[in-house]
Amino acid sequence: AQKVTQAQTEISVVEKEDVTLDCVYETRDTTYYLFWYKQPPSGELVFLIRRNSFDEQNEISGRYSWNFQKSTSSFNFTITASQVVDSAVYFCALSKHNTDKLIFGTGTRLQVFP
Amino acid sequence: DTGVSQDPRHKITKRGQNVTFRCDPISEHNRLYWYRQTLGQGPEFLTYFQNEAQLEKSRLLSDRFSAERPKGSFSTLEIQRTEQGDSAMYLCASSLTPRLAGNTDTQYFGPGTRLTVL
Repeated sequence: AQKVTQAQTEISVVEKEDVTLDCVYETRDTTYYLFWYKQPPSGELVFLIRRNSFDEQNEISGRYSWNFQKSTSSFNFTITASQVVDSAVYFCALSKHNTDKLIFGTGTRLQVFP
Repeated sequence: DTGVSQDPRHKITKRGQNVTFRCDPISEHNRLYWYRQTLGQGPEFLTYFQNEAQLEKSRLLSDRFSAERPKGSFSTLEIQRTEQGDSAMYLCASSLTPRLAGNTDTQYFGPGTRLTVL
């Protein structure tokens, strides 16, 4: 069975702090895809990143970075120098090869205080 | 380039009534998905279409739920005889068909329709 676990229910930080959101996944497939989405208070899920299982290179996009480690089945997300606008619920999701169904974790609510 | 749109944004209904939601995908996207999200949970897959064909349905989609995409463009999700347990956010997403068979393309989500069943 496939599963995504986001153990951190809620994280609170002060602006400019770095914060890491954890994601651990379970799958028996060798080919799969991992995603992160952001859900601000407005409710719309905003796509952040997509990685396939053969690409373990870490990625950096501005203040965002992602660390994919197949050995520990983790796909963690770090926000550097957090800002109030980063406050949202962040979801990690998994999709296996040959299906478009996304399996989401329960999300991590990030609150960034000024 | 407009994103995925959903209508209505909010719906309040009484138990036993039927409701219908509409989703308009990104114009060039031929795949369309429905998810349901309850409070404090991640979205759960309900069903998806490629053009007008419904390719997969979750066990969550009981016989009171029906989804259509008659012309391969917009889609509707109807819930008959609503129950209080149907209260949730209903999310629609769309994507392109991957160029390589078996690959997964990125799904882009709409703002959702929040359903409250009294």
